[in-house]
Amino acid sequence: GAVVSQHPSWVICKSGTSVKIECRSLDFQATTMFWYRQFPKQSLMLMATSNEGSKATYEQGVEKDKFLINHASLTLSTLTVTSAHPEDSSFYICSASPGEAGIQYFGAGTRLSVL
Amino acid sequence: GQNIDQPTEMTATEGAIVQINCTYQTSGFNGLFWYQQHAGEAPTFLSYNVLDGLEEKGRFSSFLSRSKGYSYLLLKELQMKDSASYLCAASDSNYQLIWGAGTKLIIKP
Repeated sequence: GAVVSQHPSWVICKSGTSVKIECRSLDFQATTMFWYRQFPKQSLMLMATSNEGSKATYEQGVEKDKFLINHASLTLSTLTVTSAHPEDSSFYICSASPGEAGIQYFGAGTRLSVL
Repeated sequence: GQNIDQPTEMTATEGAIVQINCTYQTSGFNGLFWYQQHAGEAPTFLSYNVLDGLEEKGRFSSFLSRSKGYSYLLLKELQMKDSASYLCAASDSNYQLIWGAGTKLIIKP
């Protein structure tokens, strides 16, 4: 149980385009979903927290107009990187929590390369 | 402020035992998590402690002392596939996870 699916796993795009990443909890309802970014050999950096049906809470320094988060249902959250630039190239990981003790289950991650 | 400390890197021998320590300071406390992350992959959940004591799960055990703000992850009978980063994270009063930078564990034959 507790499977989180993240798609796509890898994307290459041109500078200026937008990229949408999907995160789905397959066998549980996620009261909260989280979006992280991780640069090589660095720790996880929380970007935003989203609860179903409400606006996401962004961490300091994360541009909400650039990283659009939609949490339309208890099993789906999306992150859209708008007008992506090479400095946005990173490993983006989502996680979902069923609410029990705050345990987070992670998707497989999306490796974004912006040319 | 909120802070998690864990060693940057550790080396151990296949078949041996290794203990990865973690100390934490958080505003409120709702539990301590350990995750395993292989290079290039997302983290996977290993354990959760909220009460003092040792939780054993196969070759992996996790210990918590709330009064000392301290936890450790104990890995027994090390296998080469255990080479990974091990992330310690503490849940604060808002159930937000405060992440450590991770301990890279290198297993040698």
